Amino acid sequence: QVQLVQSGAEVKKPGASVKVSCKASGYTFTNYGISWVRQAPGQGLEWMGWTYNGNTNYAQKFQGRVTMTTDTSTSTAYMELRSLRSDDTAVYYCARDDTGFGVYWGQGTLVTVSS
Amino acid sequence: EIVMTQSPATLSVSPGERATLSCRASQSVSSSLAWYQQKPGQAPRLLIYGASARATGIPARFSGSGSGTEFTLTIRSLQSEDFAVYYCQQYNNWWTFGQGTKVEIK
Repeated sequence: QVQLVQSGAEVKKPGASVKVSCKASGYTFTNYGISWVRQAPGQGLEWMGWTYNGNTNYAQKFQGRVTMTTDTSTSTAYMELRSLRSDDTAVYYCARDDTGFGVYWGQGTLVTVSS
Repeated sequence: EIVMTQSPATLSVSPGERATLSCRASQSVSSSLAWYQQKPGQAPRLLIYGASARATGIPARFSGSGSGTEFTLTIRSLQSEDFAVYYCQQYNNWWTFGQGTKVEIK
């Protein structure tokens, strides 16, 4: 069965970087893109960007601060966010992009930014 | 960027009643519209894609309609497990989510 398993919770200081991983299994990794979505505490869902076989597209809000990559040898996607601020505190999700929508989602990774 | 606006923000419904949720796009997204359900502490769950197609395993009491800029999610005869937050998402131009509608017990 399709699974996306994300890395564990992180606590970072303002100005630091965080790299979240998303390991896929149960399907051919190179056949689907991965989108990243975040959710601040008590807030809605916010799309951050997408990656597929080396191609990327980032939401304008995150351009210059985010990098999304994949490692096809391990079927793992990564999302790195730099220059962290307190308002980057959120749960970060990866989702398999099934021609535009997310059927399969990771369990989420809580990133807390605090001094 | 396409802006998605959901209404109402909160919907109070009694079990067994019908719930109607609305989603409006700032420009046409054709039928590239999905609906998700999210419960506390869980990832979103896909309910509807293509504006009206139910995802695998989704009960028939969930239905979606609309095209262009106006969309509706209808939940017929609400069950206890349906009380949650619902999000619409356009995928005509990458992804954008609405701000969500919380369906609560009346």
